[in-house]
Amino acid sequence: EAQVTQNPRYLITVTGKKLTVTCSQNMNHEYMSWYRQDPGLGLRQIYYSMNVEVTDKGDVPEGYKVSRKEKRNFPLILESPSPNQTSLYFCASSLRVGQPQHFGDGTRLSIL
Amino acid sequence: AQSVTQPDIHITVSEGASLELRCNYSYGATPYLFWYVQSPGQGLQLLLKYFSGDTLVQGIKGFEAEFKRSQSSFNLRKPSVHWSDAAEYFCAVGAFKGGSEKLVFGKGTKLTVNP
Repeated sequence: EAQVTQNPRYLITVTGKKLTVTCSQNMNHEYMSWYRQDPGLGLRQIYYSMNVEVTDKGDVPEGYKVSRKEKRNFPLILESPSPNQTSLYFCASSLRVGQPQHFGDGTRLSIL
Repeated sequence: AQSVTQPDIHITVSEGASLELRCNYSYGATPYLFWYVQSPGQGLQLLLKYFSGDTLVQGIKGFEAEFKRSQSSFNLRKPSVHWSDAAEYFCAVGAFKGGSEKLVFGKGTKLTVNP
């Protein structure tokens, strides 16, 4: 089954404790992206990747890092999480730039 | 810069009534446009897309949308709403810039369906 898988689905952690949210897709998609969703703000793009080893900032990249060492994986790293990063995070992928994106089921992060 | 406006934060309709969700975009060239739906606790599912060609596009679940360049709009419609359509709907506009893609989402319209 074609899918985008995020882990964990839920995480409660404390300020400053590094965490990684993994994202994996099995569709051989070139393009992958991370979004955060906050009430009243819709989805905002954090980072995206056009292909392996090619990443770029979206609208709200501060406090986040990403890497794209393999085509299927695009982890989101919070080196020193802060409470303002409490949010619902979505990973998405598409065959290539300009194609519709397939979304994962989301990761709800709470930073205390 | 691209922007997307969904003027209605929340809409309530009765089951069987028609539906129109508004989306206005701002972009200098012709963008490509999407409508996504998000059910509670779920990710986003693509309803339909517009890249070029016929300005009336058909999607899944009986939805359609019409691209109107003169009005910078891409409104979503359904002739008869079902209770299962209750969800949040997002319009998104994409564009190529400098060899990469910029995809911007609206803030969403939450749809409530009354029996």
